[in-house]
This record gives sequence, structure tokens and C-alpha cells, in this order.
Amino acid sequence: AQSVTQPDIHITVSEGASLELRCNYSYGATPYLFWYVQSPGQGLQLLLKYFSGDTLVQGIKGFEAEFKRSQSSFNLRKPSVHWSDAAEYFCAVRGTGRRALTFGSGTRLQVQP
Amino acid sequence: DAGVIQSPRHEVTEMGQEVTLRCKPISGHDYLFWYRQTMMRGLELLIYFNNNVPIDDSGMPEDRFSAKMPNASFSTLKIQPSEPRDSAVYFCASSFRDQETQYFGPGTRLLVL
Repeated sequence: AQSVTQPDIHITVSEGASLELRCNYSYGATPYLFWYVQSPGQGLQLLLKYFSGDTLVQGIKGFEAEFKRSQSSFNLRKPSVHWSDAAEYFCAVRGTGRRALTFGSGTRLQVQP
Repeated sequence: DAGVIQSPRHEVTEMGQEVTLRCKPISGHDYLFWYRQTMMRGLELLIYFNNNVPIDDSGMPEDRFSAKMPNASFSTLKIQPSEPRDSAVYFCASSFRDQETQYFGPGTRLLVL
């Protein structure tokens, strides 16, 4: 069975600082990987996704993520955080068969002025 | 496009009452997913449909929960009878078979007293 671990429950960064959110997955083959963002009281918005090819993927809002097979990781990064990035971030995995997503527990990002 | 539409956005009910949540997927999407989000269990799949047919209902908690998709533009998730532990945010999402992105609705926040 596939699973996703987001080891950081809560992260606080200063505005303008760089950001890295960690995600580790467990799956027998190469999965489909996603990062979603959820603002308070809102639904989930897709930031980026990885299926195959270039292991560094670019997403919306200046985010990027790198797939590292050897580490079973798919960490999300942003070089300079804006106050509007404060939200909860979810990493998700989907196997090549089952269509549903398995989500991590989420990382809540707080941005200090 | 209007995106995935869910109604109601908020529902407060008393234990034992029937609750019906509604979802309209994005036009042309042939996959529809119901997820539930709680503090204790995070985001988890309840059921998903393909071309109006339930494919995987392994996440449905118990017989009190039922979901239907009578046509391509409408789905319901029903809880009867409701219990306080059903309090959660219920998300509907849809996707198109040749794309991997699931688009989420704004969710229905359910409180069972």
C-alpha cells in the first residue's frame, strides 16, 4: 500500500526567506506525485505534479519540487516566501493503477513579517 | 468553467438526522472522488466513480454512508443516521481520464451535534 509522510507539522519562516517542505513516499514503483495547497476554509489547489521525465518540476506561484527516487522524496521548495504563502501544504501520491490520491498529514506554513 | 461545486457549504445537524451532501463535477470530467478531512485522520478517500459507476468504496466508513452518481453532472453523499464523529470537511473532486490532476471543490463543513 502506498503512503506519504510529511515529517514537519508546522513550519515558520520569515517573509523573503527560502522554504523547503519535506515529503517522503512509500510505493513499489514510480508513483505520480503531487503537491496541493489549502488556504483556510478553502479547497485544495494543485501546485505541481510529477509523473515522469525531468525530476525537477516547476509549479504555480513560484514553487518547485524535486523527485529523488533514491530517497523516496518529493520536497517542495520556494526561493523567497511571500506572506500570502501562509497555508497548509499537502503532498500526495497516486499509484499507476488506483486513481485515488493518498495524502500526507500536511504541513502548516506560517510566514512572519 | 465554474469548477467543482459543492452544496451546502456548511451543515449543522443533530445526531440521528440524515445528511445529504451534493457535488457537481466539472463538465466533461469522468472521474469523481469524495474525500473526508478530519484532524485525527487527515484527508482520506471515501469513494470514487468512473463514468458514474463506483470503482472503489473501500474508504466508506460503514453502512451509514452511501454515495450515488445518477448522472455525469451530479453526485450525492448521504449519511443516515449521522453521528458526532462524522463531523468533518467533505470534499468532492473530479478529473478527466487523460489528465491526472484532480480538481477539488470548496468542501462542505459538517457538524453533527
